[in-house]
Amino acid sequence: NAGVMQNPRHLVRRRGQEARLRCSPMKGHSHVYWYRQLPEEGLKFMVYLQKENIIDESGMPKERFSAEFPKEGPSILRIQQVVRGDSAAYFCASSPPTGGYEQYFGPGTRLTVT
Amino acid sequence: SQQGEEDPQALSIQEGENATMNCSYKTSINNLQWYRQNSGRGLVHLILIRSNEREKHSGRLRVTLDTSKKSSSLLITASRAADTASYFCAFQGAQKLVFGQGTRLTINP
Repeated sequence: NAGVMQNPRHLVRRRGQEARLRCSPMKGHSHVYWYRQLPEEGLKFMVYLQKENIIDESGMPKERFSAEFPKEGPSILRIQQVVRGDSAAYFCASSPPTGGYEQYFGPGTRLTVT
Repeated sequence: SQQGEEDPQALSIQEGENATMNCSYKTSINNLQWYRQNSGRGLVHLILIRSNEREKHSGRLRVTLDTSKKSSSLLITASRAADTASYFCAFQGAQKLVFGQGTRLTINP
C-alpha cells in the first residue's frame, strides 16, 4: 500500500510565476490536509479538504493560494504570483474517512522562489 | 496563538541517556500526537495519546498527557545516534493538527 505521494519533491519558481503542488492520498483515504513549514519552524495548518469539498481553509492566505481535491485525481495546492516569502516545505497528509485521527504525511514539496 | 509550545528548543545528550521533551497547549483536545522529522525529510508518526489516556508506551518511547495542566511529555529511553532528529508535538481538536515549534534532539556518540 503506497503511502501519501507528493510531487514534485523540489520546485523552483521565479517571483510572479505559479506553483502547483500535487498530493495523492493513501489508498482509501478521502481526507486531505495541507501544511506549510517555514525554515526552522513547526508545521502550520493551511487547509482541510474532502473529495470536492473544502472543509476548513482557516490557515490559507486570503490571496494567491487555492486548493482543490477533485473527484478524480490528486489534490492540488496552487500558489499564484509567488513571492520569496512563499519559499517553504509544503506537506500533505491524508486520513481515512471513518474513525481514527492519525494523519499520514507525504515527503513534502520544497518550494524555492528566486 | 493556538500553536503548541515545546521545550527545550534544543537538546544534546550522550548516546544511552534518556531524552525528555515537553509540550504545552491551550485549547481542549481530542488527542495529542508526536512526530519525528529528520533533517530535510517528511514527518514520521511516533505515537498518539487520546485525551482520556494518561500514559502510553511504544518501544523506547513513553508519552504522558496531563489534560488538567494541558501538557504532554515524550521520553526516549536508551537513546541512539539514529534518534537525532527534530521532534514535534501536535494536538488535534476537530480535524486539523496544531504543531509545536519542535525540539531539535542531538545524540552524541
